[in-house]
Amino acid sequence: DTEVTQTPKHLVMGMTNKKSLKCEQHMGHRAMYWYKQKAKKPPELMFVYSYEKLSINESVPSRFSPECPNSSLLNLHLHALQPEDSALYLCASSQGIVNTEAFFGQGTRLTVV
Amino acid sequence: AQSVTQLDSHVSVSEGTPVLLRCNYSSSYSPSLFWYVQHPNKGLQLLLKYTSAATLVKGINGFEAEFKKSETSFHLTKPSAHMSDAAEYFCVVKVKSGANNLFFGTGTRLTVIP
Repeated sequence: DTEVTQTPKHLVMGMTNKKSLKCEQHMGHRAMYWYKQKAKKPPELMFVYSYEKLSINESVPSRFSPECPNSSLLNLHLHALQPEDSALYLCASSQGIVNTEAFFGQGTRLTVV
Repeated sequence: AQSVTQLDSHVSVSEGTPVLLRCNYSSSYSPSLFWYVQHPNKGLQLLLKYTSAATLVKGINGFEAEFKKSETSFHLTKPSAHMSDAAEYFCVVKVKSGANNLFFGTGTRLTVIP
């Protein structure tokens, strides 16, 4: 199994809603990542988890809250988002942080209305 | 400091002709280099990687890239373009030190003309 699975594929939410994005991998990878990608732009790193501990937070607003319940799962909790947060949210995993390639999920297309 | 420059934001080729997508990098350390492809509204798929072994790297779908340290380049090539190759391509550099060590180029959109 070389897949990173993200759910849902599409999400429309209001600015007062609370929702969660989910990511799962069964490759035994110990590093997991959240990226945000706007149209026609490269992905921007949001968070990095290493061995289920948050190791990087790229100055992301607190309305985005990551969670890593175990080594296979990564969640992104969303609350009080703004329309400019609409984007493709990509999850990725890698065997480690150093010198290994990242495997990406298909992404969640988020629209904030 | 690390950075990646993709020299062309858009490349257009005819089906069956060669593809060349250019990438230059700068890195203070010996880098690992990757090419990813992204089809519309999809995630990123790894095409190939260079991690200090052979300088000519073969990837999936007939793509290959050559690491040239003297030119700090890692250009992506394919002998014959297929319609299904139309997508966005990202060159990515990864350095060995520092946790946030994945640096993306701005991407090259490849169009294949029938």
